[in-house]
Amino acid sequence: DAKTTQPPSMDCAEGRAANLPCNHSTISGNEYVYWYRQIHSQGPQYIIHGLKNNETNEMASLIITEDRKSSTLILPHATLRDTAVYYCIVRVANSGAGSYQLTFGKGTKLSVIP
Amino acid sequence: ETGVTQTPRHLVMGMTNKKSLKCEQHLGHNAMYWYKQSAKKPLELMFVYNFKEQTENNSVPSRFSPECPNSSHLFLHLHTLQPEDSALYLCASSQDGVLAGVETQYFGPGTRLLVL
Repeated sequence: DAKTTQPPSMDCAEGRAANLPCNHSTISGNEYVYWYRQIHSQGPQYIIHGLKNNETNEMASLIITEDRKSSTLILPHATLRDTAVYYCIVRVANSGAGSYQLTFGKGTKLSVIP
Repeated sequence: ETGVTQTPRHLVMGMTNKKSLKCEQHLGHNAMYWYKQSAKKPLELMFVYNFKEQTENNSVPSRFSPECPNSSHLFLHLHTLQPEDSALYLCASSQDGVLAGVETQYFGPGTRLLVL
């Protein structure tokens, strides 16, 4: 699976949009971009995933560049409860043996400030 | 609530003890996972079960012994652990570890283990 690079930490004012970048310059054509987050002392939580097109759900939006070498997770109106470590993961879908693993890096620690 | 529960939430054990961690998923999934998260380290995959069969063991020491009696339950049996095994142990499940293509893993809250 392709390696990802994320800033170690970011701050965001409450009520503002939080834009979390991720670089995945070695991504392959069949690799998806996933975002998970982990609130302190809890298990990781799935947020969103995408392949080529931008995606939106009730939690966030995912913007993937045309060359797919980077993406941005957008939390449109950050709240204090969004303070967490956000992980960007790229992974091949349905690749058979060895496809189960989600490789978590160090992620971005997002602090939402009142 | 993710539909994945883990018990106990906290556990303190000595190096000579034997204990078990339990995970249960209420999502109808067929794949279950154990992850380990040590302080200031990324999550590490330990074991994968798909349709009750172990399909992956990431070079985990034999003092950790998984058991998957059915698709809804997963255990991690612990014996003669070391202090460096102290960590957050996370269970996850997904629809199908092989055939579902793009799939989401749902995590439990974890068991915080301290080995003295």
